[in-house]
Amino acid sequence: GAVVSQHPSRVICKSGTSVKIECRSLDFQATTMFWYRQFPKKSLMLMATSNEGSKATYEQGVEKDKFLINHASLTLSTLTVTSAHPEDSSFYICSATRTPLQGGYTFGSGTRLTVV
Amino acid sequence: RKEVEQDPGPFNVPEGATVAFNCTYSNSASQSFFWYRQDCRKEPKLLMSVYSSGNEDGRFTAQLNRASQYISLLIRDSKLSDSATYLCVVNGGYNKLIFGAGTRLAVHP
Repeated sequence: GAVVSQHPSRVICKSGTSVKIECRSLDFQATTMFWYRQFPKKSLMLMATSNEGSKATYEQGVEKDKFLINHASLTLSTLTVTSAHPEDSSFYICSATRTPLQGGYTFGSGTRLTVV
Repeated sequence: RKEVEQDPGPFNVPEGATVAFNCTYSNSASQSFFWYRQDCRKEPKLLMSVYSSGNEDGRFTAQLNRASQYISLLIRDSKLSDSATYLCVVNGGYNKLIFGAGTRLAVHP
């Protein structure tokens, strides 16, 4: 089945620094990947849709200059949290699919970001 | 109104019980529906897609009522390993998944 690898799984950083999270589709090409954020005991909230070779599409309320998304190849999307603050601490998850209508979305294992 | 609403839970049931989760969605144009399972501090994993005719996978049965914009998941003969959060998910167009807040299930011996 489809495999999505996300790295790192856990990161602790100081306020003001930037953190890059990688999402790779290992056995298929993904023209579209999605980035979600999940706060404790809350549901996943879509942050943005990452499109290979073009600009990402951000959901309302998500700052595009703070959450930089790059999708330079069909197998890699990156999310960079710039100038991180403690309120950015959350669980970030990417997903991709080969078959969107069949619901075969595969999620990365997530990145737990803690900003101190 | 939230786009996808679920029972708040948590549901605490004994092993062997039958438990039902309900979900409603607001966008009548939605075409694809799913149930995902999420274990604590893990990523969601697809449990099953939901079709208009209803579908079953072992102890799990999913139903969709488009007229009522209602989705359900039935788990029979609950196992301890079924303990998790169950997420109702709707394809919100442009292949974007809209997640419900999830219902936590705890199965006890």
